[in-house]
Amino acid sequence: RKEVEQDPGPFNVPEGATVAFNCTYSNSASQSFFWYRQDCRKEPKLLMSVYSSGNEDGRFTAQLNRASQYISLLIRDSKLSDSATYLCVVNRHGGSQGNLIFGKGTKLSVKP
Amino acid sequence: EAGVTQFPSHSVIEKGQTVTLRCDPISGHDNLYWYRRVMGKEIKFLLHFVKESKQDESGMPNNRFLAERTGGTYSTLKVQPAELEDSGVYFCASSQVGGGGKETQYFGPGTRLLVL
Repeated sequence: RKEVEQDPGPFNVPEGATVAFNCTYSNSASQSFFWYRQDCRKEPKLLMSVYSSGNEDGRFTAQLNRASQYISLLIRDSKLSDSATYLCVVNRHGGSQGNLIFGKGTKLSVKP
Repeated sequence: EAGVTQFPSHSVIEKGQTVTLRCDPISGHDNLYWYRRVMGKEIKFLLHFVKESKQDESGMPNNRFLAERTGGTYSTLKVQPAELEDSGVYFCASSQVGGGGKETQYFGPGTRLLVL
């Protein structure tokens, strides 16, 4: 079983749609959780960290359910510029080590 | 402020040759990481430096890979001799020390390595 699993998609949605991505992780000791965005042939960039209480940044909302080992990302009012691959990322260790465990990513394509 | 830089951006070599990748982290970032993405797979951790010390090299695939960070600034990753399965994108990331594991890792643009 992969440490971080995501639906690979692709998700093809029209502009303005709401889209949700899900992710599960297998290591219950995982401490930190993130969503990264990766554009085609570019490097991953941090979109947002995910906290137990859930957090929102503009059109983006992230949720963490530790009991179910489940992370989600909701994008509202999607824009053409949101087209990218969204990577669910988990920090395997606690403390100051930051060795990130990546999912394979979910590809989003927003159409006019 | 300059981001993480990597050199070269692309490298095409033949099996058995040697390639050296370079990463320059963001100034002041003591944490430096190497990751790799091979075709069709997820990005995977290779190793972690704190300044010049190897904190964790559990992800290094075998002894053909050698990473160094002399002086605690830039890092090099040497593959010798290269094999076909080493092809992929090698990313470097850096972050500040501290933050309980929540420090943001900033990634470089990657080096695309193709071994023929």
